[in-house]
Amino acid sequence: DAMVIQNPRYQVTQFGKPVTLSCSQTLNHNVMYWYQQKSSQAPKLLFHYYDKDFNNEADTPDNFQSRRPNTSFCFLDIRSPGLGDAAMYLCATSRRTDRSYEQYFGPGTRLTVT
Amino acid sequence: GQSLEQPSEVTAVEGAIVQINCTYQTSGFYGLSWYQQHDGGAPTFLSYNALDGLEETGRFSSFLSRSDSYGYLLLQELQMKDSASYFCAGGDSSYKLIFGSGTRLLVRP
Repeated sequence: DAMVIQNPRYQVTQFGKPVTLSCSQTLNHNVMYWYQQKSSQAPKLLFHYYDKDFNNEADTPDNFQSRRPNTSFCFLDIRSPGLGDAAMYLCATSRRTDRSYEQYFGPGTRLTVT
Repeated sequence: GQSLEQPSEVTAVEGAIVQINCTYQTSGFYGLSWYQQHDGGAPTFLSYNALDGLEETGRFSSFLSRSDSYGYLLLQELQMKDSASYFCAGGDSSYKLIFGSGTRLLVRP
């Protein structure tokens, strides 16, 4: 089945220790998104790619970086995680920008910072 | 920018009908989406309204009024499995989704 896959599902890292979260998709969608979701809050968009074009949200901290080496894969790098970065990180895709209203989400990576 | 407001929590009885409202303020607006998210799960797409009016998908219907900057999700014949959080989301000219604050629906037996 075509899907969005995130690895790992759970990640524990130490304060200040870099961490990378990965997302892959078999949907062949050209738009990929990274969201941060904290408990009982809405998903908050960090950045998105339209093909290789990177779009950063104005309020996304510099501590967060992303790479998309090809259509199928996208990575979220947190360079120096703080306690406030503990959250669920969701990857999503959409077929193209004019269908961005229908996004397909992966199961998420729950990040714990100790 | 955009902001979308929803009630924080709604409780209803199994078999009943419930309406979850969403009001929005936006400088650019391309339609309203609805997503369902169970605890610990990922959001899943439910419906989309590009134009004013009602869209029906099985037990779920969604409504949009652009003139009132308002929409709602209607769930009929509620089932216990409908207990989840529901988010409205607005699409803007940059083809991003801005999610509303979310409504936690609790279905009681």
